[in-house]
Amino acid sequence: RKEVEQDPGPFNVPEGATVAFNCTYSNSASQSFFWYRQDCRKEPKLLMSVYSSGNEDGRFTAQLNRASQYISLLIRDSKLSDSATYLCVPGRSYIPTFGRGTSLIVHP
Amino acid sequence: EADIYQTPRYLVIGTGKKITLECSQTMGHDKMYWYQQDPGMELHLIHYSYGVNSTEKGDLSSESTVSRIRTEHFPLTLESARPSHTSQYLCASTPNTGELFFGEGSRLTVL
Repeated sequence: RKEVEQDPGPFNVPEGATVAFNCTYSNSASQSFFWYRQDCRKEPKLLMSVYSSGNEDGRFTAQLNRASQYISLLIRDSKLSDSATYLCVPGRSYIPTFGRGTSLIVHP
Repeated sequence: EADIYQTPRYLVIGTGKKITLECSQTMGHDKMYWYQQDPGMELHLIHYSYGVNSTEKGDLSSESTVSRIRTEHFPLTLESARPSHTSQYLCASTPNTGELFFGEGSRLTVL
């Protein structure tokens, strides 16, 4: 079983919309996660880290739901530049593995 | 900005050639990784290292080899390139806090 599972999407939303997607994880011992953003044909870049208290950075909010074993990423007031693939990865993993991520397309 | 560099960024070579993809980081990270990614697909871990003289194979079988003689340097070598090796290769390193810093990638095309 993979460490994380994500809906590949694509999530197709208009500019200004609020969009959220989840990442379910299999290891109940995981206590932290990272969200990465990957643009087409580019390398992944760290978007934000997520711990038990969640995290908020501008328009982005990440939450960790331990009971249901998922983390969420909420994007408010979507911009065209938010179009990318979003990847979640368990923190402190000795062998960090990625799923296919969730594709977001923001259109005018 | 992460201080991790990959060269070459793009490489087009013929079948049977030996190639080495370079990866260097100046952050003093012990853990380094090589991923392979095809367009629209997920990253697959092919090699990793926990420090000098430590190398392990990842979950994706690969005909490439790696070495870790110095902390900052983690080159990947293909002794005899084939068209099936055409892909993007991404190098990453991580501090103890776990977040990955990626290089810009090496896009390899084998004719």
